[in-house]
Amino acid sequence: EAGVAQSPRYKIIEKRQSVAFWCNPISGHATLYWYQQILGQGPKLLIQFQNNGVVDDSQLPKDRFSAERLKGVDSTLKIQPAKLEDSAVYLCASSLVTGSSPLHFGNGTRLTVT
Amino acid sequence: QQQVKQSPQSLIVQKGGISIINCAYENTAFDYFPWYQQFPGKGPALLIAIRPDVSEKKEGRFTISFNKSAKQFSLHIMDSQPGDSATYFCAASFFKRAGSYQLTFGKGTKLSVIP
Repeated sequence: EAGVAQSPRYKIIEKRQSVAFWCNPISGHATLYWYQQILGQGPKLLIQFQNNGVVDDSQLPKDRFSAERLKGVDSTLKIQPAKLEDSAVYLCASSLVTGSSPLHFGNGTRLTVT
Repeated sequence: QQQVKQSPQSLIVQKGGISIINCAYENTAFDYFPWYQQFPGKGPALLIAIRPDVSEKKEGRFTISFNKSAKQFSLHIMDSQPGDSATYFCAASFFKRAGSYQLTFGKGTKLSVIP
């Protein structure tokens, strides 16, 4: 099966600019996640979708981050305006269902904010 | 209370040796404990997972040992190979609310297996 697709692979922007990331999950996976992985740390959940509805966005900085999953398939994560501390790898993952269903991660987008 | 503490931060093991990575948690609501392996430039991939109703799970050269009373679990890699060189993350999840299982990751252990 095709894996989780993410684009772009790399992005460099200046602070206060905006940026968007795209994710296409594995076909048939109902649950989609966006994680932030800062260098040297484990992934931290930003938002979780079940089909096209948000089930957990408690750790999403909503003043600058937004995400959507239209039609319950692919998803976009946006940051506006970006801050230096947003420099990280943004990982998208999907799973068949929630719970103990394994997460399948994409290779991420490495964001550098200068 | 939702933290998962992982140690060591980095580990160097001789080829053929045993690699051991430890994790500890506080939240007794955690009910699923996976380990993920991540190579540079790649996303994490599920390696092995355990539920707290068993004390050990083995898959090939990889074994999870789980101590519920101590709230600790560990990953053992037997006969470590250079291809095992990667960053390993322990994680734990619990049922947060309807449709939402929160998965919390440790900070990772960078394993280097030297020939």
